[in-house]
Amino acid sequence: GENVEQHPSTLSVQEGDSAVIKCTYSDSASNYFPWYKQELGKRPQLIIDIRSNVGEKKDQRIAVTLNKTAKHFSLHITETQPEDSAVYFCAGNAGNMLTFGGGTRLMVKP
Amino acid sequence: NAGVMQNPRHLVRRRGQEARLRCSPMKGHSHVYWYRQLPEEGLKFMVYLQKENIIDESGMPKERFSAEFPKEGPSILRIQQVVRGDSAAYFCASSPLGTANTEAFFGQGTRLTVV
Repeated sequence: GENVEQHPSTLSVQEGDSAVIKCTYSDSASNYFPWYKQELGKRPQLIIDIRSNVGEKKDQRIAVTLNKTAKHFSLHITETQPEDSAVYFCAGNAGNMLTFGGGTRLMVKP
Repeated sequence: NAGVMQNPRHLVRRRGQEARLRCSPMKGHSHVYWYRQLPEEGLKFMVYLQKENIIDESGMPKERFSAEFPKEGPSILRIQQVVRGDSAAYFCASSPLGTANTEAFFGQGTRLTVV
């Protein structure tokens, strides 16, 4: 089955700096890669996703890149704000279900 | 559209009791996924269901756990004879066509505490 690795597990940045979270996947059948943000005690919420027919997608301060050959994808957050502090999860969709990475706890210090 | 609804939000059970967790998918969604999240950990896949069918239960423990998604009504995750190690947040997600084609939306979760 699919195996998704995510790094780093924790990330601390100063407000205004950029944050990058990286994931690798194992199953070449995965063709959809969403990113979810989970605040403490709340549900995971989709923030951006990318399909395998594109290499990059951007939505305001958030961007995701995908390298199918290397089987890795990354989340980029620019101009970070304290409200970006949360746990972020990447996922791959092989087998028509989502397999998640272990999560990255992002802390944005004001 | 009310979104994915889970109930109860919090559930306390004594060891040996049964826990029933309910998930009503978003309107028009026929694919349901259950995930377990231990404190400070990630989302572990348990089971994938479509109406009246279990598609993949490879993440579900072989004993004490079962899931269903009947033709009418919510999806149910049932845990029999609960043990302390079952304490976790259980999330369900729904999708209209499965994650090969569409995104999945999560419910608020049920936080199960076994005492």
